[in-house]
Amino acid sequence: DAGVIQSPRHEVTEMGQEVTLRCKPISGHNSLFWYRQTMMRGLELLIYFNNNVPIDDSGMPEDRFSAKMPNASFSTLKIQPSEPRDSAVYFCASSLASQNLKPQHFGDGTRLSIL
Amino acid sequence: SQKIEQNSEALNIQEGKTATLTCNYTNYSPAYLQWYRQDPGRGPVFLLLIRENEKEKRKERLKVTFDTTLKQSLFHITASQPADSATYLCALISGGSYIPTFGRGTSLIVHP
Repeated sequence: DAGVIQSPRHEVTEMGQEVTLRCKPISGHNSLFWYRQTMMRGLELLIYFNNNVPIDDSGMPEDRFSAKMPNASFSTLKIQPSEPRDSAVYFCASSLASQNLKPQHFGDGTRLSIL
Repeated sequence: SQKIEQNSEALNIQEGKTATLTCNYTNYSPAYLQWYRQDPGRGPVFLLLIRENEKEKRKERLKVTFDTTLKQSLFHITASQPADSATYLCALISGGSYIPTFGRGTSLIVHP
């Protein structure tokens, strides 16, 4: 079975540019999570969706960040405009959260560098 | 404020020995605790879940303990192998939620 698929794997762009990160969750999973990982702060939850609906976006750092889930098989995380402090690894994860605390399945992340 | 602490220093051990990693937490009452493994350049991979009313959980060479009085979980890998070298993250989940909060992880290096 295919796992969670993220693209691109690496992104290098200049400050001020728009960045779009993409995620395809595992088929059949009803919850999707976006995380950011840095050495300083570890793995932080940015936003999560349940059945394509955003449930909690309190972890989104600023209005420059937005996330969408137009259907059950696709989600995007957008940063506009990007800043150097946004440099991090961004992970997407999915789970069958409604069933007995199933674990999260992570993609391999997008390593984002903002110059 | 809620805090999850994992040793930031890498744990170096010799192959064949038992590795023990620690996860301490404060101002938190988790109902569940998970352990994940993360390899360089990869996402975390789920290993084990333990509930607050369970003292110990085992899976092959892995063993997890959960002491809600000490507010601590220990993660053991017996007969460690170089392939066990990775970063291990603990994650806490409050009752009524399914959203884990992650520690920063501890790096384990097993020397042949």
